[in-house]
Amino acid sequence: EVQLVESGGGLVQPGGSLRLSCTASGFTFSDYAMSWVRQAPGKGLEWVSTINYNGGSTYYADSVKDRFTISRDNSGDTLYVQLNTLSAEDTAVYYCAKFHGSGTYYNFPDYWGQGTLVTVSS
Amino acid sequence: EIVMTQSPATLSVSPGEGATLSCRASQSVSSYLAWYQQKPGQAPRLLIYGASTRATGVPARFSGSGSGTEFTLTISSLQSEDFAVYYCQQYHNWPLTFGGGTKAEI
Repeated sequence: EVQLVESGGGLVQPGGSLRLSCTASGFTFSDYAMSWVRQAPGKGLEWVSTINYNGGSTYYADSVKDRFTISRDNSGDTLYVQLNTLSAEDTAVYYCAKFHGSGTYYNFPDYWGQGTLVTVSS
Repeated sequence: EIVMTQSPATLSVSPGEGATLSCRASQSVSSYLAWYQQKPGQAPRLLIYGASTRATGVPARFSGSGSGTEFTLTISSLQSEDFAVYYCQQYHNWPLTFGGGTKAEI
């Protein structure tokens, strides 16, 4: 059974930083692209970032480019995202999602974690 | 950026009735279209990919159709567990984009 467990969320002040983690199990982590998707309170889904199976290719939404960094540790079956220069607009539940295949093109999330809440407030 | 527009925003139906949810893309996404279901306090669940292929374990009452810019998710007979928010998502171009969602309510 595919399991994705996010951690690292919490309350952070504007301008602050946070690193989120997602521990994967139930599948061969190193075979699949992975993503982060967020959802602001009461709002819809917003794609944040994607990384291919070996970490060689990464993609970011314009809203987070140059502030967020996605990475992965295939030896530890863990996905990360470093969140820097946070603002209130980044307040959301952050979901880790497994992609259907290894590549990043014409690919989509098929399993999602339960999410971790990031609140940016003073 | 490809804009995904879902309609209606809210769909009021009774258990046992059918429902048709629409999703329109601002430019062609071919068949690179997925549908997700999200219940309150839960993560999204993949229902349909490739516009019409049901994901593993998804009941046959869910079906998807369309290509290009117009897509439809049909629920043939709503069960109590189907009342949720449904999102379409295109994966033809970066950035990946989602529609605003359709809430199916009693």
